[in-house]
Amino acid sequence: KAGVTQTPRYLIKTRGQQVTLSCSPISGHRSVSWYQQTPGQGLQFLFEYFSETQRNKGNFPGRFSGRQFSNSRSEMNVSTLELGDSALYLCASSHGTNPEAFFGQGTRLTVV
Amino acid sequence: TQLLEQSPQFLSIQEGENLTVYCNSSSVFSSLQWYRQEPGEGPVLLVTVVTGGEVKKLKRLTFQFGDARKDSSLHITAAQPGDTGLYLCAGEEGSTLGRLYFGRGTQLTVWP
Repeated sequence: KAGVTQTPRYLIKTRGQQVTLSCSPISGHRSVSWYQQTPGQGLQFLFEYFSETQRNKGNFPGRFSGRQFSNSRSEMNVSTLELGDSALYLCASSHGTNPEAFFGQGTRLTVV
Repeated sequence: TQLLEQSPQFLSIQEGENLTVYCNSSSVFSSLQWYRQEPGEGPVLLVTVVTGGEVKKLKRLTFQFGDARKDSSLHITAAQPGDTGLYLCAGEEGSTLGRLYFGRGTQLTVWP
């Protein structure tokens, strides 16, 4: 059974640009959640999608957005990148009706 | 403010020693999960506990959920260098299905 796949693994962007990250969940999972991980703040919740609907949202600015497709794949977008957006972005996949969440390897975003 | 407080933040021990990591909160959680993360990778789920007072064992690792479902502990017996990593606890509140609240983590280093 394939795990959670995140692409790309690494990304370098310039301040002011935008970026789109992709996450393919485990087959049969309907929930995808996104987290930002930095050394100073740890894992911070961005948002969660269940059956194409945003069910939960964290305290991030509107520059961070996401969506989920009918096949449960999800994308997150960050517009007008800032240096402070440099982080490991993780997506987690779950059934959506029980708490077990399985993470992808993450996308390491560096903003220069 | 972190909903889940983990202690200690860092732990450096010799192979063969025992250790305990704590995860505490003033909030009640419907479930609590423990993950281990290696550098540059996503967290890997170790265990999920859902019942107050529940104890689960995974080889040399013992996980306990507090009776009031506000705290948890992870005990490792006879630690090995392969146990080295960042241990994270994460809780799910009943009212926010699909969102995990993470502790800051405990960085464990086991020396041969």
